[in-house]
Amino acid sequence: AQSVTQLGSHVSVSEGALVLLRCNYSSSVPPYLFWYVQYPNQGLQLLLKYTTGATLVKGINGFEAEFKKSETSFHLTKPSAHMSDAAEYFCAVSDPGAGSYQLTFGKGTKLSVIP
Amino acid sequence: DAGVIQSPRHEVTEMGQEVTLRCKPISGHNSLFWYRQTMMRGLELLIYFNNNVPIDDSGMPEDRFSAKMPNASFSTLKIQPSEPRDSAVYFCASTADSTEQFFGPGTRLTVL
Repeated sequence: AQSVTQLGSHVSVSEGALVLLRCNYSSSVPPYLFWYVQYPNQGLQLLLKYTTGATLVKGINGFEAEFKKSETSFHLTKPSAHMSDAAEYFCAVSDPGAGSYQLTFGKGTKLSVIP
Repeated sequence: DAGVIQSPRHEVTEMGQEVTLRCKPISGHNSLFWYRQTMMRGLELLIYFNNNVPIDDSGMPEDRFSAKMPNASFSTLKIQPSEPRDSAVYFCASTADSTEQFFGPGTRLTVL
């Protein structure tokens, strides 16, 4: 079984400051890892994903994440927060061997950006 | 492409009533997922279809919930009878055998 833990249900940063959202996963096989963003009253949108290859992946809106197998982590970062980054962020994992593309989500982290 | 389409966007109903949520996946996508999002439980996968066939419905909470996919362009999630604890946002997502799921805008269900 797979699981995802996101540390911190709510993170506040100042505009221009570093954004760091933490995600740890549990999986018995090398996983695929995802970050999704949800703006108020909208569906989820893919920010970035790791499948194979380079462990540092870049996504939309200046976000990036690094897959660290030894730490079972996939933390999301952005060097400088913008007001438009205020949203809820979800880390997710899937088992590529299962062939079903089912995602297991973390509980989410709500990011607030302070002017 | 219009993306995944869900209707209605908002539904308010009374306990005991039947509720039907609808989803039109992106054309050409052959996998469809129904999720439920609540504050307490986060995002939960309810059921997953591949090529219109239900593959995994282990997340469906109880017999009051049922889902169908009569063709590649339409799916329904039905709750009968509805209860206040069913109040949530229900999302539909689709994928074309890729690693990315595309989500619809969701249906916010309130059961009074």
